[in-house]
Amino acid sequence: ETGVTQTPRHLVMGMTNKKSLKCEQHLGHNAMYWYKQSAKKPLELMFVYNFKEQTENNSVPSRFSPECPNSSHLFLHLHTLQPEDSALYLCASSQEGVYGYTFGSGTRLTVV
Amino acid sequence: AQSVTQPDIHITVSEGASLELRCNYSYGATPYLFWYVQSPGQGLQLLLKYFSGDTLVQGIKGFEAEFKRSQSSFNLRKPSVHWSDAAEYFCAVESGSGNTGKLIFGQGTTLQVKP
Repeated sequence: ETGVTQTPRHLVMGMTNKKSLKCEQHLGHNAMYWYKQSAKKPLELMFVYNFKEQTENNSVPSRFSPECPNSSHLFLHLHTLQPEDSALYLCASSQEGVYGYTFGSGTRLTVV
Repeated sequence: AQSVTQPDIHITVSEGASLELRCNYSYGATPYLFWYVQSPGQGLQLLLKYFSGDTLVQGIKGFEAEFKRSQSSFNLRKPSVHWSDAAEYFCAVESGSGNTGKLIFGQGTTLQVKP
C-alpha cells in the first residue's frame, strides 16, 4: 500500500455507460494527478490539481471529466468512452517542495 | 520541449549479473530526474531521484543512478540482479521549478531476468 488508493481496481464498461474512478490519499499532499498508461505508449499526463484547483488539462477529450472536492480526493468521471480509451489509469499525489510523486495501483479500464 | 528517451525497450539479464538501464533527457535547465519501477498490474514505485549535489544517487532495492550532464544521461545500475527485479522501469524528468505537476516519462524498459 503506497498511501494512494484507487478504486475500483478493474472496470469494464460499455460505450454508453457512465462511471467514475476514485483516488484517495491521506499523505497530506496538496497536488493530485491523473495519468493514462496505454500499451506501448509513454505515460500521458491528463490532469493536475494543486490545492483543489485544476492547473493542467493536457488536451483531454471532454468525455473525461475530473473532480477534486478536496485535497485528499480526486475523481475521474467517464461517459461515452471509446474502445481506445481502454488503459490503466493511474492517480498520483505530491507535496509542494518535495519532488517526485506517489502513485496508486491504478484502475484497469476496458471499454467494450 | 522536455523529453525523455529510454533507448532499450526490452532487456534480458541473467540473475546475479550486473544491470544498466539507459536514460537520456532533453531539458534546458538543471533537471530533476527520477527512476520508477512498475510490477505487473501495479502502480509506479519511486526507486531514486536526483535534484542536485552528488551525481551518484543511491536508491531502494540496491539501485543507483549517475547523472552525467555532459551526456544528458541518468542511467540506472544494479551490481547484481535478483529475479524479483523483473519489471518495467521508467525514467522521468520534472520540468519547471517547484511543484508544477509535469513529470515527463520515457517509454519504459522491460527487464526480464533469466535464472
